This record gives sequence, structure tokens and C-alpha cells, in this order.
Amino acid sequence: DAGITQSPRYKITETGRQVTLMCHQTWSHSYMFWYRQDLGHGLRLIYYSAAADITDKGEVSDGYVVSRSKTENFPLTLESATRSQTSVYFCASSENSGAPYEQYFGPGTRLTVT
Amino acid sequence: DQQVKQNSPSLSVQEGRISILNCDYTNSMFDYFLWYKKYPAEGPTFLISISSIKDKNEDGRFTVFLNKSAKHLSLHIVPSQPGDSAVYFCAATTGNQFYFGTGTSLTVIP
Repeated sequence: DAGITQSPRYKITETGRQVTLMCHQTWSHSYMFWYRQDLGHGLRLIYYSAAADITDKGEVSDGYVVSRSKTENFPLTLESATRSQTSVYFCASSENSGAPYEQYFGPGTRLTVT
Repeated sequence: DQQVKQNSPSLSVQEGRISILNCDYTNSMFDYFLWYKKYPAEGPTFLISISSIKDKNEDGRFTVFLNKSAKHLSLHIVPSQPGDSAVYFCAATTGNQFYFGTGTSLTVIP
């Protein structure tokens, strides 16, 4: 099906483990984004990518790594998970960087770090 | 420090009446503002946006107003419908960096 998908939808991991969250979009959108949603903070940008092999940091990038070898995929890796990274993670894409800046969001991944 | 603020965590409105959701921001460099709607267990969906050079944008039942001098924007929903019950996020951007508010949970009472 066309759209933007995230996997897994739910993940429980232990402190110190590496975990990768997957994001896949079928629109060939240039831009892709990762956000985390926490109570009291709304959504905060972790990383974004303007194209394959081009990534840049967002507001809360510490502890996260991204890659984008293919336009359609934008995985997010927590190299050594911490409890503070327990959150709901959303991936999004947009066709370009201009107005109206509409982003299409995936359904989210709920990550719990124990 | 939160650059985009939604100071009302929740709002209840009767069906058919107007819903007004408010948002304040601190960064005068923001050049575009957006509103997203989010249902539980789903990702946000785009509603409407406005450029910083405009003061109003309308799309059907949804109108966004921007007051740059007050660094304030609002979303008006008229008439409100039960299906509008959701969490609404305002967001602002300088280009590639996006900043979201904490959201306002709207309940439309039938």
C-alpha cells in the first residue's frame, strides 16, 4: 500500500541495547523527518533528511543516529538506549522543503526502555 | 525552552459552536505556521498552514489567524463537529527546522 509505514509499532528494550526504528515511504518524497512525542513537550524534531545521503540534526539529536542510503527509507538508531528515550516516535515525509510545508506522518512507534 | 506554546491543554465545545485553539511563539524568524490534528494511536495529519506574510488563511470550516506583532496564532473551527474531537498541534518552521506546541485536546460535545 502507498504511504508511510513504521516498524515495529511497539518495542520494549533494555537500557544499553541498540535499537533501530524503521521508516518507509512510497511517495518518493525528498524530505524525511523523525520526531519524538513526550508529555509536556509535544513533538520534537530529532533528525531530518533532505535527500539520500543528506541528513541534519534537529532539536534533540543526542543519542540518535540516522542514515538514508535510499530515498524511501530513513531508519533511526538508538546506539545505547536510555530510559529517557522512552517515547513515541513518528516518522514523516514531505515532497519538498517549501510551502505549505505539509508533512505526512506515519502511525508511530511506541518505544519503552526498561 | 519551548519556542511554540499551547497554553490550553484541553477545550470542550458544543457541537455547532465555534472552537478556538490558540498558540503563541517566541521566534520572530519563523516564516510559516501549521496546524495538525491527531487522533489516538495515529500520526498527526496536516490541517492548514499560513505564511508569515499573511494574517488569515481559510479552508472550509478551518481558519487560521496570525498576529505577528503579538506572536500569536489561532485556529477557528466553525461549526464544530464531533469528528473534530482530537488533539491539535500548532507548529512553526524556519525552513527545515520544525517546532511543535504541546497540543490542545478538543472535545466536541454532541
